[in-house]
Amino acid sequence: KAGVTQTPRYLIKTRGQQVTLSCSPISGHRSVSWYQQTPGQGLQFLFEYFSETQRNKGNFPGRFSGRQFSNSRSEMNVSTLELGDSALYLCASTRWGVGDTQYFGPGTRLTVL
Amino acid sequence: KQEVTQIPAALSVPEGENLVLNCSFTDSAIYNLQWFRQDPGKGLTSLLLIQSSQREQTSGRLNASLDKSSGRSTLYIAASQPGDSATYLCAVGLASGSRLTFGEGTQLTVNP
Repeated sequence: KAGVTQTPRYLIKTRGQQVTLSCSPISGHRSVSWYQQTPGQGLQFLFEYFSETQRNKGNFPGRFSGRQFSNSRSEMNVSTLELGDSALYLCASTRWGVGDTQYFGPGTRLTVL
Repeated sequence: KQEVTQIPAALSVPEGENLVLNCSFTDSAIYNLQWFRQDPGKGLTSLLLIQSSQREQTSGRLNASLDKSSGRSTLYIAASQPGDSATYLCAVGLASGSRLTFGEGTQLTVNP
């Protein structure tokens, strides 16, 4: 059974640009969550999607957005990149969400110059 | 607001030693607690999931306990090996969806 995949694995962007990251969950999983990991703030929750609907949202500015498609694949978008957006972005999938083990992908390393 | 604290922040032990990692959380109204390991530059690997109604879970050399009333969990690693070297993270989940609140992690080094 294939795990959670994330593309691309590495990205380098400049300030002001926008970026789109992709996450494919484990087959049969309908919930996808996104997290940002930085040395200073640790792991912080961005948002969760379940059956194409945003179910939870963390405390991030509106520049961070996401969506989920009918096949459960999810994308997150960051517009007007800032230096502080440099981080490892992780997505996690679960079958239903509540009470399930979360399976994480390898992450996308975003560097903003 | 839920806060999760992990002690110690770093731990270095000789191979073969048994060790305990600690996790505490401020709001006892959790749905579950999950322990993960993270290797440098990699994603998270789930180790154990404890539901709020459970007291402990075991997998191989790992045992995790949960005391919801006191807001504490411990991860016990028996007979540690160099391959156990990683950062260990605990995270608590609330009933509203799959949102996890993470601790800062304990960086474990097991020396041969």
